[in-house]
Amino acid sequence: QKEVEQNSGPLSVPEGAIASLNCTYSDRGSQSFFWYRQYSGKSPELIMSIYSNGDKEDGRFTAQLNKASQYVSLLIRDSQPSDSATYLCAVKNSWGKLQFGAGTQVVVTP
Amino acid sequence: GAVVSQHPSRVICKSGTSVKIECRSLDFQATTMFWYRQFPKQSLMLMATSNEGSKATYEQGVEKDKFLINHASLTLSTLTVTSAHPEDSSFYICSAREGGENTEAFFGQGTRLTVV
Repeated sequence: QKEVEQNSGPLSVPEGAIASLNCTYSDRGSQSFFWYRQYSGKSPELIMSIYSNGDKEDGRFTAQLNKASQYVSLLIRDSQPSDSATYLCAVKNSWGKLQFGAGTQVVVTP
Repeated sequence: GAVVSQHPSRVICKSGTSVKIECRSLDFQATTMFWYRQFPKQSLMLMATSNEGSKATYEQGVEKDKFLINHASLTLSTLTVTSAHPEDSSFYICSAREGGENTEAFFGQGTRLTVV
């Protein structure tokens, strides 16, 4: 079982719609959760971090965390073509090590 | 956010040669730096963690004699891929943080290594 799992996609989203990305993790002791955006050929950039159960909103992005279900998600509202990228879920496990999922490719179509 | 500069961004080398990749923190002192490798359509895999002035800690399965890491100062860490082979071709990314585990780490731009 992979430590952090994501659907690889691609997730095709019409411009202006909501993109919903999901991530599950295996280490129940994990406390810190991150979403990174990675454009092709570039390094990841942090877009959201979340540490407590519930929702956290930042602009068009909302991260949702459910530790009981070991599940974290990212919603992108009003999707734009510039949001087309691979989104990486990362979880800091109980040993303090940051584990990355393989990423979900998002394609926003005009 | 803080700036981490990685150089070179792309490098092509012949099989059997060595390649050095530099990672610099430009506006903060990086007590800890991380080196990752990413194969196409795969996740970032942590190779090693380095703390300034001490030996790097390598992840299981990463050959420390092949991937030499030096973190000689608070602003510079280097990764040297020795005797490179085509299977070492990958995207290598460093990240750096200033403080302890709860501080954010910032990524460099990455280095695309191609071994021919």
